[in-house]
Amino acid sequence: AQSVTQLGSHVSVSEGALVLLRCNYSSSVPPYLFWYVQYPNQGLQLLLKYTSAATLVKGINGFEAEFKKSETSFHLTKPSAHMSDAAEYFCAVRAPKGSARQLTFGSGTQLTVLP
Amino acid sequence: DGGITQSPKYLFRKEGQNVTLSCEQNLNHDAMYWYRQDPGQGLRLIYYSQIVNDFQKGDIAEGYSVSREKKESFPLTVTSAQKNPTAFYLCASTLELAGGPNNEQFFGPGTRLTVL
Repeated sequence: AQSVTQLGSHVSVSEGALVLLRCNYSSSVPPYLFWYVQYPNQGLQLLLKYTSAATLVKGINGFEAEFKKSETSFHLTKPSAHMSDAAEYFCAVRAPKGSARQLTFGSGTQLTVLP
Repeated sequence: DGGITQSPKYLFRKEGQNVTLSCEQNLNHDAMYWYRQDPGQGLRLIYYSQIVNDFQKGDIAEGYSVSREKKESFPLTVTSAQKNPTAFYLCASTLELAGGPNNEQFFGPGTRLTVL
């Protein structure tokens, strides 16, 4: 079984500062990993995904994440926060050969961007 | 534009009433899913369907029912048996149920259900 842990349910950064949202996974096999963003009262939008290709993955809106097998981590970063980045972010994991229904989500991190 | 629509956006229900949430997709996806979202708990799978006229229970199916009469539609009924139905409900779809690197889930905008 796969699981993810998101450290920090709430993260605050100043506009222009580095954004770092943490995600650690547990999996018996090298997993697929995803980051989704959710704006208030909206659905989830895929930011980026790791599917066993390059370990540094670039996504939309200037976000990127690095898969580190030794640390079982897939942290999400953005060099400079913008007010529009304020949202909730979810890390998710799935086994490569598992069905699409076996996507397991973390509990989410609420990002606040301060002016 | 292809996508998933959910209606209504906000729904209020009295205790003891059944209510049905709509989910429609025009992505030509075979598989569809219903999730429940509660604050601080992430998303939990209620039901999923691989194909028309076939659906399976997810992790928290008690008190819910679904149907899949058309490929495009996957309505969710929250029954009076669901003890704590107030939540945000999200519908999603994938091209197919099988795994694979490009078979990620697409989400609808959600329905917020409040039981009065």
